[in-house]
Amino acid sequence: AQSVTQPDIHITVSEGASLELRCNYSYGATPYLFWYVQSPGQGLQLLLKYFSGDTLVQGIKGFEAEFKRSQSSFNLRKPSVHWSDAAEYFCAVSQGFQKLVFGTGTRLLVSP
Amino acid sequence: SQTIHQWPATLVQPVGSPLSLECTVEGTSNPNLYWYRQAAGRGLQLLFYSVGIGQISSEVPQNLSASRPQDRQFILSSKKLLLSDSGFYLCAWSGRAANTEAFFGQGTRLTVV
Repeated sequence: AQSVTQPDIHITVSEGASLELRCNYSYGATPYLFWYVQSPGQGLQLLLKYFSGDTLVQGIKGFEAEFKRSQSSFNLRKPSVHWSDAAEYFCAVSQGFQKLVFGTGTRLLVSP
Repeated sequence: SQTIHQWPATLVQPVGSPLSLECTVEGTSNPNLYWYRQAAGRGLQLLFYSVGIGQISSEVPQNLSASRPQDRQFILSSKKLLLSDSGFYLCAWSGRAANTEAFFGQGTRLTVV
């Protein structure tokens, strides 16, 4: 069965510093991968997606992610974090029919 | 453009009472529809998905049921709520293509007391 692991439950980053959130997946075929962001009490907003092609994908709000098949990873990065980036981030893999399997999420805290 | 509406935003219900959460999608036709639950301290879990009117697939055994009476309407129900049904419920839709993303509603916070 497909699974997604986000090993970091919480991460604290200083404003202006770079960010990397880790995501590892388990999936037999070529995966469809996603990163979503959730502000408290809100729904999920799609940051970026990978279906095929270029392994470095650009998303909204200055985020990017790199698909590494050899490492089964899809880490999310941002070169300079803003206070408004504080939220919970979810990595997900599609099982087909866009049925998503989510990781448990990483809560990002941004310190001044 | 497509939009997804989910209501109510918050709900407090006593144990044993019925539940009905509604989700509607605008601006698209024949979408795939989904219900997810986010329990406290846990990730999101797919509960139900639907590829068409009256077609419901359940992903996990539970006290809940889903129905799709119209193309763009998806309803989550329970006859008798349990304490363990508390959580944040999210409706989502996607297109039919394999390489498309899911779009989420704003969620319903359900507290069973």
